Amino acid sequence: RKEVEQDPGPFNVPEGATVAFNCTYSNSASQSFFWYRQDCRKEPKLLMSVYSSGNEDGRFTAQLNRASQYISLLIRDSKLSDSATYLCGAYSSASKIIFGSGTRLSIRP
Amino acid sequence: SAVISQKPSRDICQRGTSLTIQCQVDSQVTMMFWYRQQPGQSLTLIATANQGSEATYESGFVIDKFPISRPNLTFSTLTVSNMSPEDSSIYLCSVGDRADQPQHFGDGTRLSIL
Repeated sequence: RKEVEQDPGPFNVPEGATVAFNCTYSNSASQSFFWYRQDCRKEPKLLMSVYSSGNEDGRFTAQLNRASQYISLLIRDSKLSDSATYLCGAYSSASKIIFGSGTRLSIRP
Repeated sequence: SAVISQKPSRDICQRGTSLTIQCQVDSQVTMMFWYRQQPGQSLTLIATANQGSEATYESGFVIDKFPISRPNLTFSTLTVSNMSPEDSSIYLCSVGDRADQPQHFGDGTRLSIL
């Protein structure tokens, strides 16, 4: 089993919709989690950090469920510009971030 | 956050040659890492670049193939040695300050091997 797993998608939703995807992690000792956004042919950019139960930034909400060992990302009122790949990362016990394979999101007009 | 510059941004190389990628940060950082991202794939950690000592490699990556230097807290290099088409990938450096803080990525080096 991979240490961090994501649904690869693609998720194809209309503009204005709410979309959510999950990321599961296997290391129960992980304390810090991150969502990154990666546009095509670009480097990953930090979207949100999650250290406790969750975090919210505008239309984006991340929630952490330690009992079930998953982190979710919710995007409300989706925009065309939200189309990207979303990477989930979890700090391993060896002070390095392990990334999932990414979830592709496509917003259609 | 720190400004992270990678050079070259892209290159096309011949099989059997080597290429050194540079990562320069505009401020001192504690941690530097090198990742590989093959087409359509996620990020795979190659190694942690340790300042003043040998890099710590992940399973499947060896120093002879991917020698890494980190002479100070703002600079690191990754060499891809004896390249083959399978090494065609994007190579990314990332930096971080603390083990529970996010990392930030350079803009990547897109490498194609003919």
